[in-house]
Amino acid sequence: EAQLVESGGDLVQPGRSLRLSCAASGFNFDDYAMHWVRQVPGKGLEWVAGISWNSVNIAYGDSVKGRFTISRDDAKNSLYLQMNSLRAEDTALYYCAKARITYTSACFDLWGQGTLVTVSS
Amino acid sequence: QSVLTQSPSASGTPGQSVTISCSGSRSNIGSNTVSWYQHLPGTAPKLLIYDNNQRPSGIPDRFSGSKSGTSASLAISGLQSEDEADYYCATWDDSLNGHVLFGGGTKLTVL
Repeated sequence: EAQLVESGGDLVQPGRSLRLSCAASGFNFDDYAMHWVRQVPGKGLEWVAGISWNSVNIAYGDSVKGRFTISRDDAKNSLYLQMNSLRAEDTALYYCAKARITYTSACFDLWGQGTLVTVSS
Repeated sequence: QSVLTQSPSASGTPGQSVTISCSGSRSNIGSNTVSWYQHLPGTAPKLLIYDNNQRPSGIPDRFSGSKSGTSASLAISGLQSEDEADYYCATWDDSLNGHVLFGGGTKLTVL
């Protein structure tokens, strides 16, 4: 069964860094683009970042550009999100999502359960 | 405020039909396919519709999608209590080197 499991969420102070991980299993991870999507408590879904199957194409949402870095390690079937200069408004449940086919679409057919990041002093 | 505009709320009684709309622009909905998600906060979102009108396996045909120009719609027929959830449209946007957009979400209440 295909599965995504996020980890790394924590309570951190503003300005600090955190690295999220997403472990994939049950499908050929290196064939698919992957994305991070978050939900701020009480708000809607917000796309954070995406990376193509071969890491050639990478894109970020405006609110995280320059602070967050998405990467992948196909040998470990893992997706990462390095989050620097964290702000209170980054507090959210972060989901890892698998693209159904192409990088340039918003079609995500597999999601993890999310990992909670809380930024507070 | 999201670039993809959805009504914040919708409602219907069991058995009724409801339509949720999503309005965008030429660089997003006008140029790319639309997906729809069902989401209960704190759980994993579920893909309901992809490529404007295609259902993944396991999604009942009560759910249907359409797109015209720069707008898209999700229709739900035969409303059931378990349909009460948040619904989001999403698409790729070709501007600024490309990125994903989600609509602001529509909270569906089954009365």
